[in-house]
Amino acid sequence: KQEVTQIPAALSVPEGENLVLNCSFTDSAIYNLQWFRQDPGKGLTSLLLIQSSQREQTSGRLNASLDKSSGRSTLYIAASQPGDSATYLCAVGGGGADGLTFGKGTHLIIQP
Amino acid sequence: NAGVTQTPKFRILKIGQSMTLQCTQDMNHNYMYWYRQDPGMGLKLIYYSVGAGITDKGEVPNGYNVSRSTTEDFPLRLELAAPSQTSVYFCASSYGTVYSNQPQHFGDGTRLSIL
Repeated sequence: KQEVTQIPAALSVPEGENLVLNCSFTDSAIYNLQWFRQDPGKGLTSLLLIQSSQREQTSGRLNASLDKSSGRSTLYIAASQPGDSATYLCAVGGGGADGLTFGKGTHLIIQP
Repeated sequence: NAGVTQTPKFRILKIGQSMTLQCTQDMNHNYMYWYRQDPGMGLKLIYYSVGAGITDKGEVPNGYNVSRSTTEDFPLRLELAAPSQTSVYFCASSYGTVYSNQPQHFGDGTRLSIL
């Protein structure tokens, strides 16, 4: 059974810093990996989707990488801003599951 | 720009009561999903549908039922509410399955408490 782990569970950094969120998964037979942002009391907003054949995807200040063979992905946030404060969720698709398999998330606080 | 719409946003139920969580999408997606998110945990799949008239169980289906009479709507029903069903419920939709590299789009969730 696929398991997804996100480290750290929580992170607090000053505004302007570059930071990395980590995601690992136990079964490398995935088709894709998706990073989401979740604001308090809100739904999930899709940030980036990386296909299994890709190494990385970029959107603005966000860059997500995927190393399928080692079961790892990272989300890099450049020049962090207070508006980036949210919970970031990693989810993998495929590997025998019918839906996405989610990690527990990283709760990120950017201090002004 | 409605996307995926869920109603109600909040609900408190008594043990043994029943209710239906509504979900509708306006993106003409064939695939729809129901997940639940317990505090501090990842989302878990309850049920999913690949098109009108077709539904299937996910990882945690016990205590729930679904139907899909139209492409747009995918309601989730709780027949006999139990405290273990206290959770946040998310509905999602996509053009294809998780194997198709199509992103899933989520609603804002329904926060349900069973007392």
